Amino acid sequence: EDQVTQSPEALRLQEGESSSLNCSYTVSGLRGLFWYRQDPGKGPEFLFTLYSAGEEKEKERLKATLTKKESFLHITAPKPEDSATYLCAVWWGATNKLIFGTGTLLAVQP
Amino acid sequence: DSGVTQTPKHLITATGQRVTLRCSPRSGDLSVYWYQQSLDQGLQFLIQYYNGEERAKGNILERFSAQQFPDLHSELNLSSLELGDSALYFCASSVDGGGVTQETQYFGPGTRLLVL
Repeated sequence: EDQVTQSPEALRLQEGESSSLNCSYTVSGLRGLFWYRQDPGKGPEFLFTLYSAGEEKEKERLKATLTKKESFLHITAPKPEDSATYLCAVWWGATNKLIFGTGTLLAVQP
Repeated sequence: DSGVTQTPKHLITATGQRVTLRCSPRSGDLSVYWYQQSLDQGLQFLIQYYNGEERAKGNILERFSAQQFPDLHSELNLSSLELGDSALYFCASSVDGGGVTQETQYFGPGTRLLVL
């Protein structure tokens, strides 16, 4: 079954402690992979779109990379304000649907 | 602020009732998407409208329906509500909606529905 899996489910970091979040997918014919940030009770906020293996995008302390089977969201020297749930979503095949993973809940402690 | 607006922010109702959620897309966006987010299911795609026409359907129950009006705002109608329908409902919009490239979807702040 086509699916999107994010790991870890939750991650606690100290301020300044870099780490990576993983999004693996098994869909056929990936056409785009999206990263969103979601704060509690709020709507997802768009971060990045990646379209092909080898592509990388950066924004402040965040860097997203894509391979043929997974994507990583690298967080460098995180700050407490980076605490949120990070969602990845894939667009695949001939559909117009995005399939979302269940997210990684990131907590950055000062 | 994404530019997508949703009303109401909160809705409390009883089982068996019917509610309508409203969404206004970003200026210039033609596509509207509806999602349901519950604690155990994550963010689930319900339905997409593009310029007034239904374009894609996800896991939308028969008790739910949606439409997009000529001014491009959209409404999601939920009827015969059950306890399990309690969730956050998000609307998203994009410029086009899944042609050659998938346009980025920008999400609204959501409507929190509680069915008692």
